[in-house]
Amino acid sequence: EVQVLESGGGLVQPGGSLRLSCGISGFIFSDHHMDWVRQAPGKGLEWVGRTKDKRRNYNTEYAASVKGRFSISRDDSKNSLFLQMNSLKSEDTAVYYCVRVSSDASGSDALDIWGQGTMVTVSS
Amino acid sequence: AIQLTQSPSSLSASVGDRVTITCRASQGIRNDLGWYQQKPGKAPKLLIYATSNLQSGVPSRFSGSGSGTDFTLTIRSLQPEDFATYYCLQDGNYPLTFGQGTRLEIK
Repeated sequence: EVQVLESGGGLVQPGGSLRLSCGISGFIFSDHHMDWVRQAPGKGLEWVGRTKDKRRNYNTEYAASVKGRFSISRDDSKNSLFLQMNSLKSEDTAVYYCVRVSSDASGSDALDIWGQGTMVTVSS
Repeated sequence: AIQLTQSPSSLSASVGDRVTITCRASQGIRNDLGWYQQKPGKAPKLLIYATSNLQSGVPSRFSGSGSGTDFTLTIRSLQPEDFATYYCLQDGNYPLTFGQGTRLEIK
């Protein structure tokens, strides 16, 4: 079964750091871009960033709101995706989703497999 | 960043109705637009990608159309399980951006 499962959420103080993990199963991890998407309580969805697939050298892209503070990495040998979050702010409080990206033959992308999410709360 | 504006922000409809949600991009995005459904307390679910391609397993009452800057999601003959929040997402330009969401409620 294709699955992604986040872990590592919790309560952290403003200015602190937290590392989220995402374990994957059921598909060839290195063939897929992987995204992080977040959702603040009662709010809409916000794309956080992406690590691209092996063919694209695992390059990364980020939303402006997290660039320079968050870092996405992956370990294909362990089928794991990571989100390192530094200098956390109260506005980073959200559920964080790990998401698989699939591309069809024409190159169109789709965020097709979502984890259940992990809650990050930034508060003193 | 490309802005996506969904309309309406909320919508009341009845089982069996046909509803349309629109998504307008601040600049042309070719056909790089998807639609996602989210129910309370659950992760979003992909419905449609590349404007009009139905994701495997999604009922055929869902359809998408558009190009350039204007896109629509249509749900033909609403079912009880369709009452949820719907988001559009442009995935052709970084940073990716979501619309603000459309909450579909039972009338």
